Amino acid sequence: DVQLVESGGGLVKPGGSLRLSCAASGFSFSTSSMTWVRQAPGKGLEWISSISKTGDSIYYADSVKGRFTISRDNAKNSLFLEMNSLRADDTAVYYCATVKPGSYSDYWGQGTLVTVSS
Amino acid sequence: QSALTQPASVSGSPGQSITISCTGTSSDVGGYNYVSWYQQYPGKAPKLMIYDVSNRPSGVSNRFSGSKSGNTASLTISGLQAEDEADYYCSSYTSSNTRVFGGGTKLTVL
Repeated sequence: DVQLVESGGGLVKPGGSLRLSCAASGFSFSTSSMTWVRQAPGKGLEWISSISKTGDSIYYADSVKGRFTISRDNAKNSLFLEMNSLRADDTAVYYCATVKPGSYSDYWGQGTLVTVSS
Repeated sequence: QSALTQPASVSGSPGQSITISCTGTSSDVGGYNYVSWYQQYPGKAPKLMIYDVSNRPSGVSNRFSGSKSGNTASLTISGLQAEDEADYYCSSYTSSNTRVFGGGTKLTVL
């Protein structure tokens, strides 16, 4: 079975940093593009970043560009999101998901909650 | 990167059909056949229901169907059931090689 398990969320102060991880299993991670999507409490889904299977193509939403960095380690079947200069409006559940051609996500993790508060 | 426009809520009675619209621009919905739809229950991860405008993943009920006309995509649920009550989100590929979601629609089964 396909599994995506996010970790690394928690409470952080404004201006702080956090690194999220997503452990993948049950599919060929190294041949899959991946993405991070977040959802603020009571709000809708927001795409924030995607990375190609080799990591050579990376895209960010304007809301996180320059502050967040997506990366992957195909040898460890892992996806990462380095988050810096965190703000209160970054508070959300962060999901990792696969990306198929056409930009749809057929597999999602359960999400990890990031809370930015003093 | 403006969000796609969805109605905030729709409702219907069991057995009826409902349609949720998703309006974008020629740079996203209208420019590509890459619209997908997701169902989300409270506290749960989204689930893919439709991809590439009108394709259903294996295991998704054929009561769910998708279509597109111009800059507007639609999700139709026929034979509404109580278990369909959830939030629904559309998503589209964009000309910037990015992705955009709709604001979400809460479906209430009366």
